[in-house]
Amino acid sequence: EIVLTQSPATLSLFPGDTATLSCSASQTVNIYLAWYQQRPGQAPRLLIYDASNRATGIPARFSGSGSGTDFTLTISSLEPEDFALYYCQQRYDWPLTFGGGTKVEIK
Amino acid sequence: EVQLVESGGGLVQPGESLRLSCATSGFIFDNYAMTWVRQAPGKGLKWVSTFSGNGGDTHYAESVKGRFTISRDNSKNTLYLQMDSLRAEDTAIYYCAKGMTTLNHHFPSWGQGTLVTVSS
Repeated sequence: EIVLTQSPATLSLFPGDTATLSCSASQTVNIYLAWYQQRPGQAPRLLIYDASNRATGIPARFSGSGSGTDFTLTISSLEPEDFALYYCQQRYDWPLTFGGGTKVEIK
Repeated sequence: EVQLVESGGGLVQPGESLRLSCATSGFIFDNYAMTWVRQAPGKGLKWVSTFSGNGGDTHYAESVKGRFTISRDNSKNTLYLQMDSLRAEDTAIYYCAKGMTTLNHHFPSWGQGTLVTVSS
């Protein structure tokens, strides 16, 4: 099973700051990694797929990079609605796996 | 507009069964992989099972293999999850999610979830 490790667990930032979230895979996932945002009481929302492609309707302040085992989600100029939980997910191999999540909270 | 609506959750005792449904609309159901993902209270997301599109194969998490069965009725545009021998650790919100394509298992569309509680 491919284990995805997200860091940090919590990120405390001010609105307007840039958030940098990491996801490290226990073995290569090529580019087959996605990022999701989850707000309290809501279903997850796809932000980035295949490492660097923004999903439909996702603002340009969200960007993804990386390949192999190390990936980054960058959120530039945080808006109030960006304070939420973020998960990475790989589709390279079965079983599909998610990371443990990073909480982006208001400082 | 893609819509996914789960139903069938509820409170059951350990060892009992439950069948979840996910009614879909707004896309050609046959063409897409469909997946169940669960989230225990206050915990992260866990993949449960996937039924690939176009008559493809099925996959299960080790923790549910032999107890859960995923199926789909393409004539009704509906995905199912038959859950047998339920355990307390199966307590979670269960989401159905649509894949990006037949074989692309990233999830651009999710339902609102249905809560399953397993408790005596």
